Order: sequence, then structure tokens, then C-alpha cells
Amino acid sequence: EPEVTQTPSHQVTQMGQEVILRCVPISNHLYFYWYRQILGQKVEFLVSFYNNEISEKSEIFDDQFSVERPDGSNFTLKIRSTKLEDSAMYFCASSPGLNNEQFFGPGTRLTVL
Amino acid sequence: GIQVEQSPPDLILQEGANSTLRCNFSDSVNNLQWFHQNPWGQLINLFYIPSGTKQNGRLSATTVATERYSLLYISSSQTTDSGVYFCAGEGFNQGGKLIFGQGTELSVKP
Repeated sequence: EPEVTQTPSHQVTQMGQEVILRCVPISNHLYFYWYRQILGQKVEFLVSFYNNEISEKSEIFDDQFSVERPDGSNFTLKIRSTKLEDSAMYFCASSPGLNNEQFFGPGTRLTVL
Repeated sequence: GIQVEQSPPDLILQEGANSTLRCNFSDSVNNLQWFHQNPWGQLINLFYIPSGTKQNGRLSATTVATERYSLLYISSSQTTDSGVYFCAGEGFNQGGKLIFGQGTELSVKP
């Protein structure tokens, strides 16, 4: 069964460094998403992406964040200059269309020291 | 945007017991999903259920869209059912933005 994959599973970085989190969505899906979950809290929406453009973004998704689909398969989230409060689990998701079921990847745990 | 509230926040069951988890949402939704977060942090899709009733083994879910709530039923619970259960809804014209509830933490004791 097709699934969303994410790499790396765990990333440790120093405050101020740039990180890129990678995702491979399900191949025939058209909508892509990033969510994050700070330890012990609920999952929060960051951004949705369709047709090479951001469809919707939350107030969390400020100028430090960017997303890209550099080729036909990968979908990336870049954090330009990490802060301690960026430490969280980051989930990628994809769906075949809008308002369809979203399928989540296993997550990347980001730890900022 | 919509708000999603789940109850109860915590639930402890003896193995074999049944339970009902509730999700209330503040406005109409066109996407409603239930997830189980396992001890490794993975979000496992349980149901995509913007309306109606679905069943999958010992789990079933019902969404009453007109009354803005959804229920997740777990029957004959097992220790492997332990974890956090989230519901998430997407309001209309929200560009795919799923809003998650705070979750119900379920612990099933042997």
C-alpha cells in the first residue's frame, strides 16, 4: 500500500542553523501539507501546497519557513534559522485532492540545541 | 477557523472493555478524520468520516454533521489500543487545513 515517507527520522541541530526536512508524498496525490507537534501538545497545521504554490498557511509559518517541491517526487520544509522552540515532531501529509483524506508520514523529530 | 474539542482527555480501561470517544466541532466540516498516535509518535489513519458511520474491525465511527460531533467506538479493547486518539476537522474553504483536537489519551490495562 502506498505511503508517505519522511527523512530523516530524527535531526539534531544547533540553534541558528538551517534544516531541511524531506518528504515523499504518495505518488498520485496533488495536495501536500506540513504539520508539527510540540512534545505533549496537539498537532498544528503549518502549510498546504498545491500546483507549486502555497494554498494556505498558519500564523506559525513565518518568514523562517519555506516549502518547495524541487522535483516530481520530493516535498521539503526548510527552516532558515532554527530556534529552540522549533523543536517538535514534523509531519508531512498528502491527499489526492482538496477535502479528501490526508495521509500522514511517520514524522521527523527535530531537536534544536 | 473551526475549533475541535475532544472528550474525555484521559481514559483508563481494563482489557476487554468498550469505550466511546467524542469530538465536537464548532462549525460545519467537509473533512473529519480520526487518528491513533502510537507510542513511537506515528499518526495512524483510522477513519475518514465527514458524515455517516463506518466500521473497521473492533473500531467504528459515526459523524452527525448536522449536530457537529463525531464518535469513535472501541470495542473489546486490547493493550495495543493504548495511545492518543485525535480527531481533526477541516472547515469549508480552508485550503486543506486540518484542525486537531487536544486528543484523548487511552490506557488499556491487562
